Amino acid sequence: AQSVSQHNHHVILSEAASLELGCNYSYGGTVNLFWYVQYPGQHLQLLLKYFSGDPLVKGIKGFEAEFIKSKFSFNLRKPSVQWSDTAEYFCAVRNTGGFKTIFGAGTRLFVKA
Amino acid sequence: DTEVTQTPKHLVMGMTNKKSLKCEQHMGHRAMYWYKQKAKKPPELMFVYSYEKLSINESVPSRFSPECPNSSLLNLHLHALQPEDSALYLCASSQASGSGTGELFFGEGSRLTVL
Repeated sequence: AQSVSQHNHHVILSEAASLELGCNYSYGGTVNLFWYVQYPGQHLQLLLKYFSGDPLVKGIKGFEAEFIKSKFSFNLRKPSVQWSDTAEYFCAVRNTGGFKTIFGAGTRLFVKA
Repeated sequence: DTEVTQTPKHLVMGMTNKKSLKCEQHMGHRAMYWYKQKAKKPPELMFVYSYEKLSINESVPSRFSPECPNSSLLNLHLHALQPEDSALYLCASSQASGSGTGELFFGEGSRLTVL
């Protein structure tokens, strides 16, 4: 069965600090990988996605993620966080061609101004 | 703003009530989903419709009954719910399987409280 593991449940950073959120998945086939973000009081929205090609993908607001197939990982990074990045971040995996998107437990990020 | 519209935003119901949650999208997506999200938890898949046909039911209790009247609409009919069913119910849509990357577009959710 598919599963997604996020290593950090709560992260507190100061503005301008660098961010890396870990994500590992378990699935035997080909997958599409996503990071979704939920800002306070807002709906879940896509931050970035990987489905093929360059394993380093760039998303909105300066976020990027690297797919390392051998490690079943899809870690999220941002060189310098801002107060407005305070949100909950979900890693998600979907089997290619399928419908089932499974979410990790989420990481709550709080950025201190 | 999201292109997936859910109504109502808030719903309070008793355990003997019958109510419905509604979802609408006009992005031409042919796959629609219901997810359930409890506080401080990730969304959990409940149902998937593809081309208006039920494709996935994640062993959801029969007190939840989904319906997809057409390609733009998705309903979730609620009957005889339990207090533990209180949660945020999220509707999402995507391009159909086999096309696109499977990116989900979410609504803002319907917050359900069962008394």
